[in-house]
Amino acid sequence: RKEVEQDPGPFNVPEGATVAFNCTYSNSASQSFFWYRQDCRKEPKLLMSVYSSGNEDGRFTAQLNRASQYISLLIRDSKLSDSATYLCVVNSNSGYALNFGKGTSLLVTP
Amino acid sequence: DAGITQSPRHKVTETGTPVTLRCHQTENHRYMYWYRQDPGHGLRLIHYSYGVKDTDKGEVSDGYSVSRSKTEDFLLTLESATSSQTSVYFCAISPDRGQAYEQYFGPGTRLTVT
Repeated sequence: RKEVEQDPGPFNVPEGATVAFNCTYSNSASQSFFWYRQDCRKEPKLLMSVYSSGNEDGRFTAQLNRASQYISLLIRDSKLSDSATYLCVVNSNSGYALNFGKGTSLLVTP
Repeated sequence: DAGITQSPRHKVTETGTPVTLRCHQTENHRYMYWYRQDPGHGLRLIHYSYGVKDTDKGEVSDGYSVSRSKTEDFLLTLESATSSQTSVYFCAISPDRGQAYEQYFGPGTRLTVT
């Protein structure tokens, strides 16, 4: 089983739509969780950390379910500029490194 | 944006030649990482460093070596480049917060081995 698994998509949504991405992880001892965003031919950039109680940053909401080892990202009122690949990230057994999912591709259309 | 630069940004080299990629940071962060990114595989850790002269292997370390003689520089060497090492290489840094924490990435190096 892969450490971090994501639906690769692509998700094609119209502007203004709400879209949700899901991710599962295999290491029940994981303590750090993140969502990164990667634009085409660019480096990954931290979008937000994911906290146990759930957290929100503007139009973005992240949720963590430790019992199910499941992480989600909700994007409300999608913008064209949200088109990117979203990477689910969980810390590895070593503690120093992070395990990255392969990413979910989002395309927001006019 | 975190102060991370990578050089070169693009390189084409021949099979069998040694190649060194450089990552330079101005953030004074303790942890530095090298990843490669390939279609269908996502980001995979090659090597990482947790301090000057302290390095360890990642998931895909075969054929690669690293060195860190200064806090700000982390070098990745392909000892004898092969076509399977054609990839995009990203360096990342992370502050010392006692455990794996968020990482910040450099702009990447596109390496083609012919």
